Amino acid sequence: DIQMTQSPSSVSASVGDRVTITCRASQGIGSWLAWYQQKPGKAPNLLIYDASTLESGVPSRFSGSGSGTDFTLTISGLQPEDFATYYCQQTNNFPLTFGGGTKVEIK
Amino acid sequence: EVQLVESGGGLVQPGGSLRLSCVASGFSFSSSWMTWVRQAPGKGLEWVANTQQGGGERYYVESVKGRFTISRDNAKNSLYLQMNSLRAEDTAVYYCARDPPRGDGYTFDFWGQGTLVTVSS
Repeated sequence: DIQMTQSPSSVSASVGDRVTITCRASQGIGSWLAWYQQKPGKAPNLLIYDASTLESGVPSRFSGSGSGTDFTLTISGLQPEDFATYYCQQTNNFPLTFGGGTKVEIK
Repeated sequence: EVQLVESGGGLVQPGGSLRLSCVASGFSFSSSWMTWVRQAPGKGLEWVANTQQGGGERYYVESVKGRFTISRDNAKNSLYLQMNSLRAEDTAVYYCARDPPRGDGYTFDFWGQGTLVTVSS
């Protein structure tokens, strides 16, 4: 199985900050990576797929990069509605696997 | 508007069974891979199973193989998860989700609201 490791597990930030979340795969996955946002009590929301393609309707302050084993989600100019937990997911090898999550908290 | 509505969750004793349902609307259900993802209380996301458009291909996470069965009825726009021999560690919110038909791997662009399964005596 491909293990997905996210860091940090939590981050405290202020509105307007730039936040970077890292996801590392235990083996190369090309660009087969997605990012999700989840708010408490809600279903996850797809933000990015193919490592860097923004899902329709997602604000452009979200961006993704990386390939192979190392990936990054960046939020440029954190907004109040962005405080949530973020998950990466490798999308091409069974079993499909998620990272452990990164909680973005208000500083 | 795309909608996925799950039902069938509840409290069940260890060793018991439950059948989850997910009714889809607002998109071509028969053209989409469909998936179940679960989330234990306070924990992260775990992919459980998925099925291709016709139901012929099905994949499972190792921990549920032989106990859970994913199926679908395209005439009813419905996805199911039959869960047998339930264990305490199966306690979770179960989400059904759609995989958009665009060749980006197995991603999930629409999700239901989730249904809670609690396995406890």
